[in-house]
Amino acid sequence: DAKTTQPNSMESNEEEPVHLPCNHSTISGTDYIHWYRQLPSQGPEYVIHGLTSNVNNRMASLAIAEDRKSSTLILHRATLRDAAVYYCILRTSKTGANNLFFGTGTRLTVIP
Amino acid sequence: EAQVTQNPRYLITVTGKKLTVTCSQNMNHEYMSWYRQDPGLGLRQIYYSMNVEVTDKGDVPEGYKVSRKEKRNFPLILESPSPNQTSLYFCASRYSGGVNTEAFFGQGTRLTVV
Repeated sequence: DAKTTQPNSMESNEEEPVHLPCNHSTISGTDYIHWYRQLPSQGPEYVIHGLTSNVNNRMASLAIAEDRKSSTLILHRATLRDAAVYYCILRTSKTGANNLFFGTGTRLTVIP
Repeated sequence: EAQVTQNPRYLITVTGKKLTVTCSQNMNHEYMSWYRQDPGLGLRQIYYSMNVEVTDKGDVPEGYKVSRKEKRNFPLILESPSPNQTSLYFCASRYSGGVNTEAFFGQGTRLTVV
């Protein structure tokens, strides 16, 4: 599976936008970019995914670079509830099991 | 409400005493899987199931068994638990077929083997 690289940690002030980067330089043309997050003491939860175009949903926006070698998860107004570990994952159609490889993610701290 | 339910949430047991962690989903998902999460190692897949009576090993299957007799249930069985299986376990489910599907996770089971 193609791997992703994320910063270990980031901080943001409450109610400010947060841009969480992810590098995936070995991405293939059919790989989807998925983001999950894990709140303290909870299981991972889906945030957003995309293939080539930027995507928006009620939780976040996903900006995908034109060459698809990187992407950015955007939280438009960080709240204390957004403090979590954020995982950028490539979902490849080449792997029959479609295992989600989580990596170590980015731990987001939101400062009140 | 769509959900994946694991039981128990917390379990302390002794080495060698067989245990089962249950997982149930109410979304009619074909695909289910088990992960364990350890500090510094992230989430690693133990077993997965593509559908009823179809199971296969993930990345760290040693010491675990699973079964999939019904679509909604996917129990994780530790026949003879050992201390190195002390971990946080998550069950997940999703629709199968394609990489465009969202996975749903349970709340986790924290297992301690002494």
